[in-house]
Formats: sequence, structure tokens, C-alpha cells
Amino acid sequence: DAGVIQSPRHEVTEMGQEVTLRCKPISGHDYLFWYRQTMMRGLELLIYFNNNVPIDDSGMPEDRFSAKMPNASFSTLKIQPSEPRDSAVYFCASSLGTGGIPDTQYFGPGTRLTVL
Amino acid sequence: GENVEQHPSTLSVQEGDSAVIKCTYSDSASNYFPWYKQELGKGPQLIIDIRSNVGEKKDQRIAVTLNKTAKHFSLHITETQPEDSAVYFCAASKGTSYDKVIFGPGTSLSVIP
Repeated sequence: DAGVIQSPRHEVTEMGQEVTLRCKPISGHDYLFWYRQTMMRGLELLIYFNNNVPIDDSGMPEDRFSAKMPNASFSTLKIQPSEPRDSAVYFCASSLGTGGIPDTQYFGPGTRLTVL
Repeated sequence: GENVEQHPSTLSVQEGDSAVIKCTYSDSASNYFPWYKQELGKGPQLIIDIRSNVGEKKDQRIAVTLNKTAKHFSLHITETQPEDSAVYFCAASKGTSYDKVIFGPGTSLSVIP
């Protein structure tokens, strides 16, 4: 298996622009997570999905952030408009979630976002 | 909600020595405690986990201990090697696949050859 795939790996944009980050989870995984990592705040959970349905989006910082999962093999995290403080590494992760027991989360390589 | 603290934030050890990272959590309902290792430029990767019905778990040079009464758990790495250099995250969860996993702030481990 190719693992969790994220694109792009690096994104540089200007303040005010729309940014879309993409994720393809591991096939067969029921859970998909979006995290943001910064030096100041560490690894923060933004939102997670179960069977394509958003379960908890309490970590989404503000209305400028939105996430969708139109099908089991694709998810997007959109920032509109972007701001310099959104600069971070954004990770997507997926897990099986079988039998109600927590499963290993498999992380993608991340997207490094720089907003100028 | 759950809060996970982790110490130290940075740790340097000589190759061959042991490294210990300690974490505390706040929610007594948490019962699943994974540890992740993040190498430079990569996403975190699970290295070991422990559930609350177990006090200790070992996997080769890595061991985790859990004290539910005190609400703390630790990662022990013996015979450290340069490839152990990375950032290590502890985490806690209430233990169903539906529950969030809350990560600690991370420990940057450097193993000096």
C-alpha cells in the first residue's frame, strides 16, 4: 500500500488567497483526520471523519477553514482567505477503527504551507 | 477535555545510554496511550502503545509503563542509537475508535554518536 498520500507537499501562497490541501487515505480505512503542526502549538487535531461524515470539527480554528470528504478515498482541507498565521505543516492521517477499539493512525508526509 | 503534558521537551543522550520520556494526562477516563516517533520531514509513526489493563509493555529496545493511579506513563529506550534521534509524542485517548487522540507537545531526542 502506498500509505496516506497528501498533495501538494509544499505550498507557498500570498495572504488572502485560497488554499486547498488534498488527502488520499489508505484504502479500507474508515477514519480520516486532519492535523496542524506548529512549533508554538504542537500537533493539533482540526477535524476528523468517520465513513466520510465529519464527527468532530471543534479544532477548526475559524470559519476560514473548511474540510470535506466527498468519498472514502479523498478529502480536502480548504483555507479561504489564507493568513500568515496559517503557516504550518498540515497532516492527514487515517485509521481502520474496527471493533470500537482505537487503531493506529497512519500519517501522511504532510503539506508545508507558507502564507506570505 | 483531556490535556497531555510531556517532559522533557529536549533530551540529549550518548549512544548506548538509555532515554526516558515522561507524560501525564488529566482525564481519568483515558485508557489508550500510544507513542509516536516523528523523523525530520516525515509524519508521526506509531512505535508502541499501551492500554489501561496493562502496566508495562516491551518491544525490543522500547518499553512503556503506565501508572493509572498517578495518571502518568513513560517511554523507555535502551541502548540508544543515532537513528533513534527524532521527536517523540505521547498521546492519550478514551479508547474507542470514535474518541480523539490528544497528543503531548513532543520531546526532541538527540542521540550523540
